[in-house]
Amino acid sequence: SQTIHQWPATLVQPVGSPLSLECTVEGTSNPNLYWYRQAAGRGLQLLFYSVGIGQISSEVPQNLSASRPQDRQFILSSKKLLLSDSGFYLCAWETGHRRNTGELFFGEGSRLTVL
Amino acid sequence: AQSVTQLDSHVSVSEGTPVLLRCNYSSSYSPSLFWYVQHPNKGLQLLLKYTSAATLVKGINGFEAEFKKSETSFHLTKPSAHMSDAAEYFCVVSDPGTSYGKLTFGQGTILTVHP
Repeated sequence: SQTIHQWPATLVQPVGSPLSLECTVEGTSNPNLYWYRQAAGRGLQLLFYSVGIGQISSEVPQNLSASRPQDRQFILSSKKLLLSDSGFYLCAWETGHRRNTGELFFGEGSRLTVL
Repeated sequence: AQSVTQLDSHVSVSEGTPVLLRCNYSSSYSPSLFWYVQHPNKGLQLLLKYTSAATLVKGINGFEAEFKKSETSFHLTKPSAHMSDAAEYFCVVSDPGTSYGKLTFGQGTILTVHP
């Protein structure tokens, strides 16, 4: 069966520090991978998606970047965090070679607090 | 452009009573519609999906939703609430013609279940 792991679960970082959130998927190959951010009381905002190794698309201009060094690994990074980067970050995957099935499988999320 | 409106930000019910979470959508295409559930500090889990087959869709944990094109609605129901149903619920629309991951999430409805 497929599983998705996301870590760390909780992170408190000072403004200006770097960030690395990692997500790995098991039990499937060539998935579409996504990073979403969920701010308090709001819906989900798509940040990045990837349809293959090294292929990253950004949906909104921001202080964050993403990388996909391996087929089932997706990393969210920042060189210098801002207060506005605080939020709940969710990694998700869907079956590859398909688009917008809507059937996403989410990780447990990473709660980032920037102080 | 697609949009989703969840008509109630909070719904409170007693255990054993029916649940109704309301969702209206707007889409230029024939959309796919979904309900996701999110327990506190967890990722989202797919409850059910509508993809142009039967208009009454059954999901996990006794939930179901009915697609009504004339009313542009996709309300989520359950005959009898259980304490474990307390969570936040998201209505989601996916237009097949849009880019990867461009799901439109509603703002969420928090369901509280009282003993």
